Amino acid sequence: QLRLQESGSRLVKPSQTLSLTCAVSGGSISSGGYSWTWIRQAPGKGLEWVGYIYHTGKTSYNPSLKSRVTISIHRSQNQFSLNLSSLTAADTAVYYCARGVLLWFGEQKTFYFNSWGQGTLVTVSS
Amino acid sequence: QSVLTQPPSVSGAPGQRVTIPCTGSSSNIGAGYDVHWYQQLPGTAPKLLIHGDRNRPSGVPDRFSGSKSGTSASLAITGLQAEDEADYYCQSYDSSLSGSVFGGGTKLTVL
Repeated sequence: QLRLQESGSRLVKPSQTLSLTCAVSGGSISSGGYSWTWIRQAPGKGLEWVGYIYHTGKTSYNPSLKSRVTISIHRSQNQFSLNLSSLTAADTAVYYCARGVLLWFGEQKTFYFNSWGQGTLVTVSS
Repeated sequence: QSVLTQPPSVSGAPGQRVTIPCTGSSSNIGAGYDVHWYQQLPGTAPKLLIHGDRNRPSGVPDRFSGSKSGTSASLAITGLQAEDEADYYCQSYDSSLSGSVFGGGTKLTVL
């Protein structure tokens, strides 16, 4: 059974960079057909897709966050990570890592998310 | 403002049937992209409920069903149970944004 576990900074100051890692067990992060995804949820709010990295290393980011987001894959450790820079209070949220299952729509990759980590609350505050 | 629109709340009595609509546009649901549904119990991570418009993962009761027509999709829950009280989210792909999009979520209350 696939398991995902988030770890990283929980309290970050404004203007600094958030760094989170997702450890994957029970499956290989190098397997084709999946994206390794970050999704966040501000307190009391809905879900927001942050971005994903494909097993090839290709990334796709939410346009509203694109200038501040970097997602990386670490195959030897079976992990992937999220860096989000220039933080403000609006970035305070529970951050989830998730595995996306690939669905082709013509030549476009789309995903649904069938495995999720438990989530980690990141608070941006001075 | 979410790209996919859901009502903030719905409610129903035990045993009843409720539906949760998800309205999109021509760049997402209306373009034919699949719609997926998630259930989020209080304090927990979302759980996949329906994928590919109407497919249930193993272990999801057949009381949950999905459908899609035009620019909208819908989640139906029959035989409502107290344990169904949760937030429900729809998700699809949007070609204008080139990424995944979620609905704002609907809180289901079992009366």
